[in-house]
Amino acid sequence: AQSVTQLGSHVSVSEGALVLLRCNYSSSVPPYLFWYVQYPNQGLQLLLKYTSAATLVKGINGFEAEFKKSETSFHLTKPSAHMSDAAEYFCAVSDLDGYSTLTFGKGTMLLVSP
Amino acid sequence: DTGVSQDPRHKITKRGQNVTFRCDPISEHNRLYWYRQTLGQGPEFLTYFQNEAQLEKSRLLSDRFSAERPKGSFSTLEIQRTEQGDSAMYLCASSRGQGATDTQYFGPGTRLTVL
Repeated sequence: AQSVTQLGSHVSVSEGALVLLRCNYSSSVPPYLFWYVQYPNQGLQLLLKYTSAATLVKGINGFEAEFKKSETSFHLTKPSAHMSDAAEYFCAVSDLDGYSTLTFGKGTMLLVSP
Repeated sequence: DTGVSQDPRHKITKRGQNVTFRCDPISEHNRLYWYRQTLGQGPEFLTYFQNEAQLEKSRLLSDRFSAERPKGSFSTLEIQRTEQGDSAMYLCASSRGQGATDTQYFGPGTRLTVL
């Protein structure tokens, strides 16, 4: 079974600093990977997804992620944090053998201080 | 796209009562998913529909849970004889059905509190 692990339940950065949210996957085959963001009292919104077309994936709101097979990682980055980036971020892997259901990590809460 | 909508947004009920939630997917999407999210956890898959057919159910979906998607449009999730452990956010998502790279679009969720 495929799974993802997000390191750090909380990450704190200052406004303007680099954002790095970590995600490692476990899969016997190259997976399809997703990053979603969840703002308080809202549903999840897709930031970006890796579908094997390119290892560096650019998403919305200035976020990007790089797929590294050798490290089984798909870390999310943003060069300069903004106060509006404060939210919970989830990494997810798609079920390749079934019906494309998503298996999510436990999430990382990003806190941005002025 | 008008987005995925869910109703109600919040539900408070007493233990032992039955509750029903509704999800309206994006109109042209033929796949519909239900997930459950508890505090401090990521969403966990419950069940999945391809049009009106329920094709997969998680082991998390006990026999007190039932889901339907009549005519392949909106879906309902019913929980019978609710327990305090059912308290969670119930999320609905829909997608076009193009495979494992599909983007799932999520609704705002229904937050259930069982007293």
